[in-house]
Amino acid sequence: AQSVTQLGSHVSVSEGALVLLRCNYSSSVPPYLFWYVQYPNQGLQLLLKYTTGATLVKGINGFEAEFKKSETSFHLTKPSAHMSDAAEYFCAVTSPGGTSYGKLTFGQGTILTVHP
Amino acid sequence: KAGVTQTPRYLIKTRGQQVTLSCSPISGHRSVSWYQQTPGQGLQFLFEYFSETQRNKGNFPGRFSGRQFSNSRSEMNVSTLELGDSALYLCASSPMTSGANVLTFGAGSRLTVL
Repeated sequence: AQSVTQLGSHVSVSEGALVLLRCNYSSSVPPYLFWYVQYPNQGLQLLLKYTTGATLVKGINGFEAEFKKSETSFHLTKPSAHMSDAAEYFCAVTSPGGTSYGKLTFGQGTILTVHP
Repeated sequence: KAGVTQTPRYLIKTRGQQVTLSCSPISGHRSVSWYQQTPGQGLQFLFEYFSETQRNKGNFPGRFSGRQFSNSRSEMNVSTLELGDSALYLCASSPMTSGANVLTFGAGSRLTVL
């Protein structure tokens, strides 16, 4: 079974400050990892994904995440927060092929608040 | 190209009724997945369809069902609605070509059960 833990259900930063959203996963097989963002009354939008290869992945809107196998982590960062980054962020895990068709296991989400 | 379209966006039902939600995937995407999002349980996988066949199913009671049509459009049905079924139901489509199958989500159908 796979699981995802997002540390901190709420994170608050000032505009221009570093954004760090934490995600740890559990998987018995090499995982595929994702970060999604959800704005109010909208669906989920993919920020970035890790499958294989380079462990530092860059996504949209200046976000990036680093896959650390030894720490089973996939933390999301952005050097400088913008007001438009305020949203809820979800980390998700799946495994390649097999019986995981369409199934992502999500963390509980982290609400990011950005103060002017 | 058009994204994933879900209808209706909002609906209100009463306990005991049934509801059908519709999802039109991105053109060319053959896999459709459904998720339930609630404040208490978060995002939970319901089921996935590919070429009109259910290939994967989450841990939900039999009241939750779905189907996929030959044009890849999908519907999900919830019968005998309970208050706890109030949620945002999200549909996602995927091309299912190779590698990581990234899901593209629709805006969701928000169901309120009174």
